[in-house]
Amino acid sequence: KQEVTQIPAALSVPEGENLVLNCSFTDSAIYNLQWFRQDPGKGLTSLLLIQSSQREQTSGRLNASLDKSSGRSTLYIAASQPGDSATYLCAVTTEGQNFVFGPGTRLSVLP
Amino acid sequence: DVKVTQSSRYLVKRTGEKVFLECVQDMDHENMFWYRQDPGLGLRLIYFSYDVKMKEKGDIPEGYSVSREKKERFSLILESASTNQTSMYLCASSPQTSGSTDTQYFGPGTRLTVL
Repeated sequence: KQEVTQIPAALSVPEGENLVLNCSFTDSAIYNLQWFRQDPGKGLTSLLLIQSSQREQTSGRLNASLDKSSGRSTLYIAASQPGDSATYLCAVTTEGQNFVFGPGTRLSVLP
Repeated sequence: DVKVTQSSRYLVKRTGEKVFLECVQDMDHENMFWYRQDPGLGLRLIYFSYDVKMKEKGDIPEGYSVSREKKERFSLILESASTNQTSMYLCASSPQTSGSTDTQYFGPGTRLTVL
């Protein structure tokens, strides 16, 4: 059964820093991997979707990479801002399954 | 713009009550999902549906049932609420019948407290 983990569980950085969030999954036979953002008490917003045939996706200051063979993905946030403070979740889909979510990384960007 | 709405943001119920959580999407999506989210456990899939009148169990269906009488509406039912069902409940929808290759669009969530 697919399992997804995220490290670190929480991260606090000063404004302007570049940072990396990590996601690991146990079954490398995935269809895609997705990064979501969740603000406190709210639903999830999709940030980036990487299909299994892709190595990375970029959107503005966000870059997500995927290494299927090692079961890893990273989300790189450049020049972090206080508005980036949120919980970031990754999720993968494998054959016969719906999304399997990681527990999330809670990010705080300090002004 | 896809919009997924949930009937309540906050709900407080008593143990043993029957609870209905409603979810409506306005983009004609075939697929709809119910998750619960608990600290340290992430999102866990309760039930999903790929079509009207169709339902499939997710990872944690015990104590829950669902109803999908219309394409745009997916209801989660707690037949007899218990304190261990206190949680954040999230509804989502997606546009493909396969259900596994496209993004899901989430509602704002319902925080349910069972006393």
